[in-house]
Order: sequence, then structure tokens, then C-alpha cells
Amino acid sequence: NAGVTQTPKFQVLKTGQSMTLQCAQDMNHNSMYWYRQDPGMGLRLIYYSASEGTTDKGEVPNGYNVSRLNKREFSLRLESAAPSQTSVYFCASSEAGRTGSNLNIQYFGAGTRLSVL
Amino acid sequence: AQSVTQLGSHVSVSEGALVLLRCNYSSSVPPYLFWYVQYPNQGLQLLLKYTSAATLVKGINGFEAEFKKSETSFHLTKPSAHMSDAAEYFCAVTKGGFSGGYNKLIFGAGTRLAVHP
Repeated sequence: NAGVTQTPKFQVLKTGQSMTLQCAQDMNHNSMYWYRQDPGMGLRLIYYSASEGTTDKGEVPNGYNVSRLNKREFSLRLESAAPSQTSVYFCASSEAGRTGSNLNIQYFGAGTRLSVL
Repeated sequence: AQSVTQLGSHVSVSEGALVLLRCNYSSSVPPYLFWYVQYPNQGLQLLLKYTSAATLVKGINGFEAEFKKSETSFHLTKPSAHMSDAAEYFCAVTKGGFSGGYNKLIFGAGTRLAVHP
């Protein structure tokens, strides 16, 4: 069982270039999330998708767009990369949509390390 | 609004010594609380969770945490540190109960644990 898979693992971009980070989960989870991790700041939510067909902004959405392609896949796009977007990006998923405490557990991918020069 | 404060961005202990990582939360509703661990160059994995059942929660790898409502704390402990415990630890909070979907997870800034021989 692969869990949450992110591609690519590493990426270097020049300022102004665009790219899409891919995320797929095989746990049949309803909710998916994109975070960025910066030193001393923990994880900050960029966008989330509570269920297939819906997306909403998180804490730091500026400069990003997302697509919930289907229940399994949730992509993050940088239209015009900036050095401030140099970070480690994590995708996560959670069961949600059902009663019980397990709906709150988020499962994380291994991350994408992005450098914008 | 919910928030999490982790006291101490870096903690260093000797192998075999007690590990204590501090987490205080703020929540206007009964919270669900989590500790996640991140090993170098990996994603986050769940260590343990509190969901309003027992206040003393046991997790993986010998870790446990105690929910203290009066102190709004959820400190993580382990009686005897092992070299393999060296990692970054994140405390997180979300509102409890069934929301019909997404529950926003708020992370602390993280505490990096170093274990010395």
C-alpha cells in the first residue's frame, strides 16, 4: 500500500517558470491538502480539498493554484515561480466524511523539495 | 481561533535520558491533538493522537502524551531516549467531532530533538 505519493521529489526552477506538483493517494480518502514547510514555521496550509470537486484556500494560497482531478489526485501549480516559493511541499490526505476520530488523521507524502533561483 | 505553541525549537538529550517535548494549545472548542514525527528527508508520520477518550495517550516507539485541560498542554514524553529518536516533532490541533468533511489542522513550529551517545 503506497499511501500518499508525491512527484517529483526535487525540482529547481528559475524565477518566472511554471510547474505542477503531483499528488496521489490510494487510501480512498475524501480530503486532500497541500502544505509548505519552512524552517521555524512548521507546516502552513496552502490549499485543501474537502471532497472531490471542491477546493478552498488555506493560510498561504497566494501564487498557487490547485486541481482536484479525481478522488485520488490533487495537484498544486505554480504559475510563475518566485524565490519566496522555495520550500518543501507536502501533500496529505485524510478520511473525513465519516463519523469517528480517525477522520482527523492526516497521512503525508514524502515531500517535494523546490528551489526557485 | 486555534493555535499551537511548542516551547523550544531544539532539545538535546543523552541516550537513555528522559525526553520531554512541550506543547501548549489554544482552542475555543474541545480539541483533537496530535503529535507527528518527521525523520530527515521524510514526510510526517503520526506518533499519537488525543480524541477526548483517555487523557494519557500512548503512541508508537514508546512515546506518550498527557492531555491536561487545566494547563492547555499536551506534552510528549519518552522515559529513555534512543539514538533513533533524533527527528523533528510537530504538535498539531484541530477541532474535535464530526464536521461532515474537512477539519483544519494547525501545526506548531516544531521541535528538533538531538540524542547524544
